Amino acid sequence: NAGVTQTPKFRILKIGQSMTLQCTQDMNHNYMYWYRQDPGMGLKLIYYSVGAGITDKGEVPNGYNVSRSTTEDFPLRLELAAPSQTSVYFCASSYLQGREQYFGPGTRLTVT
Amino acid sequence: QQQVKQSPQSLIVQKGGISIINCAYENTAFDYFPWYQQFPGKGPALLIAIRPDVSEKKEGRFTISFNKSAKQFSLHIMDSQPGDSATYFCAASVQTGANNLFFGTGTRLTVIP
Repeated sequence: NAGVTQTPKFRILKIGQSMTLQCTQDMNHNYMYWYRQDPGMGLKLIYYSVGAGITDKGEVPNGYNVSRSTTEDFPLRLELAAPSQTSVYFCASSYLQGREQYFGPGTRLTVT
Repeated sequence: QQQVKQSPQSLIVQKGGISIINCAYENTAFDYFPWYQQFPGKGPALLIAIRPDVSEKKEGRFTISFNKSAKQFSLHIMDSQPGDSATYFCAASVQTGANNLFFGTGTRLTVIP
């Protein structure tokens, strides 16, 4: 199993541009999550999904959108990128909600 | 508002020593307390987890101590090794409702030879 994979690994965006961060898991987990990690701040939940077609906001959803059309994929969309969205983004999945989460390798995003 | 407070922010320990990281929480509904280990450039990985019905859980050199009345839990790394150098995050979740994980701010551990 590849586990949780994320693409791209790195990306530089200009202010106002848009992009999609891809996340795929092959463990057949119903629950998937997007976090952002900022220095000294830990991980903050952006959005989560409890299954295909069902998503909900986390702690810091502003400026982001998600969709979940399949069990495997959970892309994160950034519209109108802002410098405050410079961060490392992690996707995760779990068998039980809120329990043992498996994380991807992350995407380092810089907005200039 | 930080749901889980973690300290210290950084920790330097000699090889063979004991590393201790502490976390505190307020929400008494939390019923799952994991610790994650993260190496530079990698995603966090689950290290060990505990539920509030036990006061201690040990896996190899890693032990979680849990004090329900004080609403605190801690990670102890015995015989710390340079390979343990990483950032450690505590977290908590509640089984009902949205039951998502709330993470502490992390502790960067450095074990010097």
